[in-house]
Formats: sequence, C-alpha cells, structure tokens
Amino acid sequence: GAGVSQSPRYKVAKRGQDVALRCDPISGHVSLFWYQQALGQGPEFLTYFQNEAQLDKSGLPSDRFFAERPEGSVSTLKIQRTQQEDSAVYLCASSLFSVGTDTQYFGPGTRLTVL
Amino acid sequence: TQLLEQSPQFLSIQEGENLTVYCNSSSVFSSLQWYRQEPGEGPVLLVTVVTGGEVKKLKRLTFQFGDARKDSSLHITAAQPGDTGLYLCAGDFGNEKLTFGTGTRLTIIP
Repeated sequence: GAGVSQSPRYKVAKRGQDVALRCDPISGHVSLFWYQQALGQGPEFLTYFQNEAQLDKSGLPSDRFFAERPEGSVSTLKIQRTQQEDSAVYLCASSLFSVGTDTQYFGPGTRLTVL
Repeated sequence: TQLLEQSPQFLSIQEGENLTVYCNSSSVFSSLQWYRQEPGEGPVLLVTVVTGGEVKKLKRLTFQFGDARKDSSLHITAAQPGDTGLYLCAGDFGNEKLTFGTGTRLTIIP
C-alpha cells in the first residue's frame, strides 16, 4: 500500500539502551510529524518537519530525544539512554503540505517498552 | 498551554442507541478534527470543521463546531458494533501543530 509505514512495530529495550524508530511517509508528502501516545491517552506532539527542515521540536521531552529527516523523506526518531517513562506508542504522520486543515495520515505506530 | 478535554472518557452502550461525545477547550481553534483510532493502528481522520456553527454529517455521524469555535460534539445515531473505538478530537490553534484531546473510548455492545 501507499500509506505511512513505521518500523519496528514493537521494540523492547532495557533501561539505558538507545533506540531508533523509523518512519516512511507517503511519497511526496512535505510535512512529517512525530507524536507520543501513552497508554489510554491521546497523542502528544513531539516534533515537525517540512521537507528536511525541523521547524518545531518543542514537544520533545528531553535532550535524550532526537529526530532527523536528512533527505526530506524517511525520518528517524532516536531516544538515547531510554527510561521507563519513555514507554509509549510513537506515531508518525505525514501530510501533503502543512498542518491546519491539511489531512495528516498516520502510521500504525511503534510500541516501545522499556524494562 | 492549550488543553482539549473530552467527555465522557469511557462510554459503553447497546447497539442501536444514540450517543454524543464532547470536546472542549478554553482557547479558540482555527480548525478542529475528529479521528477514530482502533487498537494497534494510528488515528484515522473522520472530519475537519473550520467555521463556527458548522455541522457536518458522515452517514450516522454528525459533527458540530461550536459558534465560538471552542467546543465540538460528535453524535452517533443507531450505534453499531463497528463504531467501537477511541474517538479523538484534535485542535489546530494556528501554531502549525495539532493538539489532541484525551479521547473517548466507545464500546458498542451487540
């Protein structure tokens, strides 16, 4: 299909390990978003790219979180020295242009469990 | 900080009944979106409302945007088991990102 894909779907990490989560947006979509969804909650904004430019990273919880989109397509969210409170589903979404009334298409998410 | 509150948090009703869920904020939205999310999947957009007082219908679902653009409701008529899921509202406050509500987890009992 031509939807947003994320990998891995599930990741178990020991506390202190580094993890990298991948997002493949819909081809040609300019904007890419990362969200964190804790159990039983709505998604919370982490960061936003327009092409390769990271325009907003105000939602990243700490400097252990880092995101990149070097060629304006695939994006990687990296979490260093994982902590138990990082356990959540990490959702990626892409849209053709910018946010607002533009539709965001979400991937299935990566469920991260930190032991 | 803009907050979106949804109510009720959980709702379980019999097939065929009607229901309404609510989304409220203290701030004005530029636009508001409703999503449905099923287990193991990402949210899927149902509708976007932009104009205060706007009403949109999607089969048995009716979405209303408050006149002051600070609240919205989703009404489902004759609920069916396929309507089961997590319903999320998300507001655009004009700052290039969506703020999601806390969600309403809906269960329709056959």
